[in-house]
Amino acid sequence: QVQLQESGPGLVKPSQTLSLTCTVSGGSISSGSYYWSWIRQPAGKGLEWIGRINTGGSTDYNPSLKSRVTISVDTSRNQFSLKVSSMTAADTAVYYCARENARDGEDYWGQGTLVTVSS
Amino acid sequence: DIQMTQSPSSLSASVGDRVTIACRASQSISSYLNWYQQKPGKAPKLLIYAASSLQSGVPSRFSGSGSGTDFALTISSLQPEDFATYFCQQTYSTLWTFGQGTKVEI
Repeated sequence: QVQLQESGPGLVKPSQTLSLTCTVSGGSISSGSYYWSWIRQPAGKGLEWIGRINTGGSTDYNPSLKSRVTISVDTSRNQFSLKVSSMTAADTAVYYCARENARDGEDYWGQGTLVTVSS
Repeated sequence: DIQMTQSPSSLSASVGDRVTIACRASQSISSYLNWYQQKPGKAPKLLIYAASSLQSGVPSRFSGSGSGTDFALTISSLQPEDFATYFCQQTYSTLWTFGQGTKVEI
């Protein structure tokens, strides 16, 4: 059973860079032709897809965030990571990592981690 | 971006009711439409993929239909554990987008 777990700071100051890591267990991140994605959800609101990466390093980003987002993968650690620069209060949200099963959606999700942007 | 619009935004129902949630895409997305269930404080759970395929382990009272721009999620007999928020998602374009959600309440 694949499991994903987000880790990183729960509080980030405005203008700083957020760094989150997703650790995959229960299987190799390199097995299968999956993409690994980040999605966020402000409190009481809907879901926003941030971007994805495969183990070959190919990425896609949401154009609305592309200038501030970097997703990377470390297959040796079975992890992938998210960086969001120039954080503002509008970036306060629960951040989820997930596995994308081709176009059949995200079939495995992490539990989510709340990131608050505040001084 | 492809916009996804769900209706209604919320609904009240009782155990045993048949419930249908609609999702409309701003352009044709073929059958690249998925449905998720989310309970408070939890990650979304994939219920239906490719418009009508039931994800493994999901009860058969959930079903999906539609293609092109109009889709629906139906719960044939609402159970207490089904009170949650439901989201549709299109995976037709590179940028995946979600509907705004439908909250199913008692």
